[in-house]
Amino acid sequence: DAKTTQPPSMDCAEGRAANLPCNHSTISGNEYVYWYRQIHSQGPQYIIHGLKNNETNEMASLIITEDRKSSTLILPHATLRDTAVYYCIVRSKTPFRGNTPLVFGKGTRLSVIA
Amino acid sequence: DAGVIQSPRHEVTEMGQEVTLRCKPISGHDYLFWYRQTMMRGLELLIYFNNNVPIDDSGMPEDRFSAKMPNASFSTLKIQPSEPRDSAVYFCASSLAPDRVKNIQYFGAGTRLSVL
Repeated sequence: DAKTTQPPSMDCAEGRAANLPCNHSTISGNEYVYWYRQIHSQGPQYIIHGLKNNETNEMASLIITEDRKSSTLILPHATLRDTAVYYCIVRSKTPFRGNTPLVFGKGTRLSVIA
Repeated sequence: DAGVIQSPRHEVTEMGQEVTLRCKPISGHDYLFWYRQTMMRGLELLIYFNNNVPIDDSGMPEDRFSAKMPNASFSTLKIQPSEPRDSAVYFCASSLAPDRVKNIQYFGAGTRLSVL
């Protein structure tokens, strides 16, 4: 699976949009971009994933560049409860290969400030 | 569903003792993963199962570590004998096969292990 690069930490004011970048320049055509987050003292939690189109769900939006070498996770209105470590993970998804474990990097520690 | 359930939440033991961590995956999930998290190494995979069969145990650090999945609703991770460097948070996760849904892993709350 491709390697990802994320800034170690970011701050965001409560109520503002949090934009978390991720570089994955070696991503291949069958690899998806997944985002998980880990709130302090909890297990990681799935947020969103995508292949090449932008995606949105109730938690966040995922913007993937046209060349797929980078992406941005957007939390549209950050709250104090969004303070967590956010992990960008690239992994292949082929039914024939089966499910694969997640390979976590160091992630971005997002601090939402009141 | 109650989600992935791990027990105990906290375990404190002395070096040399046997430790058993337990996990109940989400009902119907085909895959079960054991991860370990430390400050130094972050989150890393130890072993994972598909339909109760171990698929990859290359992350298991030593022979002191063993994992079993006797049935679809229960798995154990055992450390014998335990050492202080085994102190970490151990997470269990489960998921469905990727050709059925979005290939999302659901994590338990973890077991914080302290070996004195």
